[in-house]
Amino acid sequence: AQSVTQLGSHVSVSEGALVLLRCNYSSSVPPYLFWYVQYPNQGLQLLLKYTTGATLVKGINGFEAEFKKSETSFHLTKPSAHMSDAAEYFCAVSPYGNNRLAFGKGNQVVVIP
Amino acid sequence: DARVTQTPRHKVTEMGQEVTMRCQPILGHNTVFWYRQTMMQGLELLAYFRNRAPLDDSGMPKDRFSAEMPDATLATLKIQPSEPRDSAVYFCASGLTSVDEQFFGPGTRLTVL
Repeated sequence: AQSVTQLGSHVSVSEGALVLLRCNYSSSVPPYLFWYVQYPNQGLQLLLKYTTGATLVKGINGFEAEFKKSETSFHLTKPSAHMSDAAEYFCAVSPYGNNRLAFGKGNQVVVIP
Repeated sequence: DARVTQTPRHKVTEMGQEVTMRCQPILGHNTVFWYRQTMMQGLELLAYFRNRAPLDDSGMPKDRFSAEMPDATLATLKIQPSEPRDSAVYFCASGLTSVDEQFFGPGTRLTVL
């Protein structure tokens, strides 16, 4: 079975500061890893994903994440927060070759002007 | 621009009434997922279909919830009778088993009074 841990349900960041959201996973097989973003009153949309290959993955809106197998982590970062980054962010994992996802609890990001 | 559509977007009903939510997956997708999102529980998987067959509905209260796919273009989630604790946002997502990503609809916000 696979599971995802996201610590800190609410994260406040100043505009222009680094955004760092932590994700740790457990998986019995090589995982595919995802970050999704949910803007207010909308569905989830894919930010980025890791399947195989390069462990540093770049996504939309300036976000990137690094897969670290030894740490079972897939932390999401953005160098400089914008007001438009205020949203909820979900980390998810799926076993190799299966598109059924297990989601973390999510991080609600608030950007302070 | 292919999208998952859900109807209705908002539903207010009284306890004991039947509620039906509909989802049109992206054309050609062969997997459909139903999720429920609440503040307390986060994102919960209710049901999972592959090629219109239900593979897993263990997350769904069996006595009042039912999910079906009458055809490849329509998935339904029904609650009968509805209760106030069913108030939540219900998301449908679709995908391909050969591709790992899930594509989410905009959700149905259900309020049961």
